[in-house]
Amino acid sequence: GAGVSQSPSNKVTEKGKDVELRCDPISGHTALYWYRQSLGQGLEFLIYFQGNSAPDKSGLPSDRFSAERTGGSVSTLTIQRTQQEDSAVYLCASSLVGGQGYNEQFFGPGTRLTVL
Amino acid sequence: SQQGEEDPQALSIQEGENATMNCSYKTSINNLQWYRQNSGRGLVHLILIRSNEREKHSGRLRVTLDTSKKSSSLLITASRAADTASYFCATGSNAGKSTFGDGTTLTVKP
Repeated sequence: GAGVSQSPSNKVTEKGKDVELRCDPISGHTALYWYRQSLGQGLEFLIYFQGNSAPDKSGLPSDRFSAERTGGSVSTLTIQRTQQEDSAVYLCASSLVGGQGYNEQFFGPGTRLTVL
Repeated sequence: SQQGEEDPQALSIQEGENATMNCSYKTSINNLQWYRQNSGRGLVHLILIRSNEREKHSGRLRVTLDTSKKSSSLLITASRAADTASYFCATGSNAGKSTFGDGTTLTVKP
C-alpha cells in the first residue's frame, strides 16, 4: 500500500516568507509526527498528533511554527516569517497505535527547505 | 537534550565483520526502536523492542535492552557494504512521543 507522502519534496524560499509543508500519513494510522533534521544531525522532534487528543507541541522551536491535522489524516506544518536557520529537512512519520502501545514509525521522504 | 544517545558516533569496519552500536537513555520507556537512514531509502524502521523484552532478533540484526542500565545495543552480523548508513535509536514513552538520538554513522568497506 501507499506509504507516507510529503510535499513539496524541495522548497526554496526567501527569508521572511511563509511556507506550508504537507504530510499524507498511511491510511488508518492515528499517530502523526513531525521532525526536523539538519545536515549531518539527528532528528529533532517538533510536534506529535494522536487521534483527537491535543497535540504535543513541546518540540516547536518558536511561535513561528505551527501545525494542524485535519480530519485525523493530512497534516500541514506552517513556518511563518522563515529564517535561514529554518533550513533543514522536515520529516513526517505516522504510526499505528496498537494494543501494546505505540509501534514503529513509517517515515515520508521529507521536504528539504532552503531559506535564502 | 536528546533522550537517546548513540555510541560510537562513527564506526568503520570491513565487510564480513560485526558492528555493534549502543544507545543510552535517561527516563522510563515503553519501547525502544532502531532505525537506519541512508541517502537512497530515507529513514527505515529496523526493529522494535518493548520494555519487557531483553533480546530480539531479525535476520542479521540482534537488539538487546537492559532497562536497569537504561541502555540498548544493536549488533549487525556479517556486515555488507549495503549496511553503510546512519543508525538511530528512538525511545518511545506511554504518551506516544518518540525521541531520537544523533545516530551512529556506520561505514562498511568492501
